[in-house]
Amino acid sequence: AQSVTQLGSHVSVSEGALVLLRCNYSSSVPPYLFWYVQYPNQGLQLLLKYTTGATLVKGINGFEAEFKKSETSFHLTKPSAHMSDAAEYFCAVPPHTDKLIFGTGTRLQVFP
Amino acid sequence: ETGVTQSPTHLIKTRGQQVTLRCSSQSGHNTVSWYQQALGQGPQFIFQYYREEENGRGNFPPRFSGLQFPNYSSELNVNALELDDSALYLCASSSRGANYGYTFGSGTRLTVV
Repeated sequence: AQSVTQLGSHVSVSEGALVLLRCNYSSSVPPYLFWYVQYPNQGLQLLLKYTTGATLVKGINGFEAEFKKSETSFHLTKPSAHMSDAAEYFCAVPPHTDKLIFGTGTRLQVFP
Repeated sequence: ETGVTQSPTHLIKTRGQQVTLRCSSQSGHNTVSWYQQALGQGPQFIFQYYREEENGRGNFPPRFSGLQFPNYSSELNVNALELDDSALYLCASSSRGANYGYTFGSGTRLTVV
């Protein structure tokens, strides 16, 4: 069964530093993969998605993720963190067309 | 285009009561899914509706039920509320299914006391 694992429930960075949020998936077949962001007291917003084709996916707010089949990873990065990036980030995979399976989430804190 | 809207935003219920949560899907989306997000956890899939029929269900008991209407809006009903039902309930809509991602609403925060 497809699933995702997010390493690190909390990540803290300084403003302007590199952001790296880790996600590994389990699947024998390259899946579809998603990153969502959740700001406090809000729903989920789609950051980016990998379907097929280019392995480097660019999303909103300067985020990008690289699909690496050899490492079964889909890590989320941003070159320079901003205070407004503080939020909860979820990696997700659709095992079927009817649902998404989410990781446990990573809370990103950005310090001035 | 309007996004996914949910009502109410907050709700407090007593254990044993019944609750109905409502969702209007994004314009052009015919698929609606519901997720439960307990505090500090990722969203958990409850069920999905496509063209008024349930076409997928997660590991939730039958007291969680739903409806989808001809305009693709949806309701989530929970009977015999338990304390553990306290959570953020998220509605999501899509035009092409989970493989292409969902648009989520802001959620309904349900507190059961």
